[in-house]
Amino acid sequence: DAGVIQSPRHEVTEMGQEVTLRCKPISGHDYLFWYRQTMMRGLELLIYFNNNVPIDDSGMPEDRFSAKMPNASFSTLKIQPSEPRDSAVYFCASSLTGRNQPQHFGDGTRLSIL
Amino acid sequence: GDSVTQMEGPVTLSEEAFLTINCTYTATGYPSLFWYVQYPGEGLQLLLKATKADDKGSNKGFEATYRKETTSFHLEKGSVQVSDSAVYFCALYTNAGKSTFGDGTTLTVKP
Repeated sequence: DAGVIQSPRHEVTEMGQEVTLRCKPISGHDYLFWYRQTMMRGLELLIYFNNNVPIDDSGMPEDRFSAKMPNASFSTLKIQPSEPRDSAVYFCASSLTGRNQPQHFGDGTRLSIL
Repeated sequence: GDSVTQMEGPVTLSEEAFLTINCTYTATGYPSLFWYVQYPGEGLQLLLKATKADDKGSNKGFEATYRKETTSFHLEKGSVQVSDSAVYFCALYTNAGKSTFGDGTTLTVKP
């Protein structure tokens, strides 16, 4: 079975540019999560969706960040304009409904803002 | 609110040593508990889970027992290998699909 697929795996761009990260969840999963991981702050939940509807975006750092899920098989996380402090590894994860269900993570996008 | 506290790392062991990584939690109700492992350059992946008190989760030689009386879910392995070097995360399922993760514990196993 295909796991969670993220693209690109690496992104290097200059400060001020728009960055778009993409995620394809596991087919049939109804929850989708976006996380950010840094050495300083660890793993942070940014936003998550249930059945394509955003449920909690309280972890989104500021208005420069936005996320969409136009359908059950695709989500994007956009940063505009990007800043050096946005450099991190961004993970997408998906899960089924249920308290026993684990989250399945993609391999992440390593983002470097110069 | 719900929280997870993990043993601070990094932890460095010799091959074949015994491993314990402590995890305690605070939660309302009876959460499901998980251990995830993250290898370099990869995302987190489920290692094991337990869904009710006294349940023992196990996988790849790792074990953890859900202890409601001490609100703990410590990870153990009797004999670690170099290939076990990774970051380990304890997590609990909170509600409405969300999980709360610990800060992660880095394990390095030396030959």
